[in-house]
Amino acid sequence: QKEVEQNSGPLSVPEGAIASLNCTYSDRGSQSFFWYRQYSGKSPELIMSIYSNGDKEDGRFTAQLNKASQYVSLLIRDSQPSDSATYLCAVTPGGITGGGNKLTFGTGTQLKVEL
Amino acid sequence: GAVVSQHPSRVICKSGTSVKIECRSLDFQATTMFWYRQFPKKSLMLMATSNEGSKATYEQGVEKDKFLINHASLTLSTLTVTSAHPEDSSFYICSAGGGLADNQPQHFGDGTRLSIL
Repeated sequence: QKEVEQNSGPLSVPEGAIASLNCTYSDRGSQSFFWYRQYSGKSPELIMSIYSNGDKEDGRFTAQLNKASQYVSLLIRDSQPSDSATYLCAVTPGGITGGGNKLTFGTGTQLKVEL
Repeated sequence: GAVVSQHPSRVICKSGTSVKIECRSLDFQATTMFWYRQFPKKSLMLMATSNEGSKATYEQGVEKDKFLINHASLTLSTLTVTSAHPEDSSFYICSAGGGLADNQPQHFGDGTRLSIL
């Protein structure tokens, strides 16, 4: 079983719709969770971070964390063509927080927002 | 603005050349930085953890003599691809944590696209 799993997609949604991206992780002790966006040929860009169970909203983005189910998701409201990219879920090892620590990445979900 | 600077953004050179890539944290100190490589349409692969003032920690299968890492200061890590060959052509990306405080996420440099002819 992979440590961090994501559906590779592509996930296609129409413009204006809600895109829902999902991620599961195997390390029950993980405490820090991140979503990165990566455009083709570019490096990853941090979109959201979440550390506690529940929802965290930032503009059109909402991250959701359920530690009991070992599940983290990213919702993108009012999807735009410019949101078309690969979205990477990343998790820090169990019992460790902080930016100086190794992240475990999922393989990413490709999102396509169609006109 | 960018918090992690990576240079150069693109390198094209002949086989056998050694190539140095720099990664700088711009407004924070980073005792740890990370180096990744990514092939087209593939996921990020962690190569090594760069530790300030000590040896880098390499992931399994990564040749430490091939990919030399130096982290001589709290704001600079370098990756040198020694005697590069066409199979080393890839997208190399560094990352660093946003400070020493807990829960600060890592930020990535813009990456270096290396092409070996």
